[in-house]
Amino acid sequence: DQQVKQNSPSLSVQEGRISILNCDYTNSMFDYFLWYKKYPAEGPTFLISISSIKDKNEDGRFTVFLNKSAKHLSLHIVPSQPGDSAVYFCAASAHYGGSQGNLIFGKGTKLSVKP
Amino acid sequence: SQTIHQWPATLVQPVGSPLSLECTVEGTSNPNLYWYRQAAGRGLQLLFYSVGIGQISSEVPQNLSASRPQDRQFILSSKKLLLSDSGFYLCAWNTGTTNEKLFFGSGTQLSVL
Repeated sequence: DQQVKQNSPSLSVQEGRISILNCDYTNSMFDYFLWYKKYPAEGPTFLISISSIKDKNEDGRFTVFLNKSAKHLSLHIVPSQPGDSAVYFCAASAHYGGSQGNLIFGKGTKLSVKP
Repeated sequence: SQTIHQWPATLVQPVGSPLSLECTVEGTSNPNLYWYRQAAGRGLQLLFYSVGIGQISSEVPQNLSASRPQDRQFILSSKKLLLSDSGFYLCAWNTGTTNEKLFFGSGTQLSVL
């Protein structure tokens, strides 16, 4: 039973345009969400996060939007660059009894940015 | 600054052979340590985590085991590998505080043939 879903396994975007990666979750207890970027044969690196008390967080070209009622978040990359080509993982966690639970990851979306 | 080391980078093992992957963290004390696996089409699956020496929690039943003999050392093992154990294994750490991200190692690509 997947609690974090990335329904698009791949996405192709032209350089300079916007990339939008989507993520849905089912556990209403999730209150912290993250995006990781992963190149082949490397470990994932943290990109951006958002707490459930916010609906938007921005860091340079990267913006994450959270829609709690729809249990949906998205990552926007503007403008997209060829170096952004990677697999992007959405992750979520919840707090139980004051402790943060482990991160649950989606299956990832492979982004290809074409020059 | 903190660093995480994971080795080997690649490993090819025959079915039925043992496995030992090692991970160490430097620059921090009493980290939470994690083993994840990325199998084809399955994303990042949490296998084990540890909040202290000798404390191991397993997330999924499987052919693998984990140990934490020292504060900053985390080992993933198997007595007899299966074909289905193939995948990209990642070690990660954090300090376990609220809303904290995970820091991943560079991973081990394991191919069981």
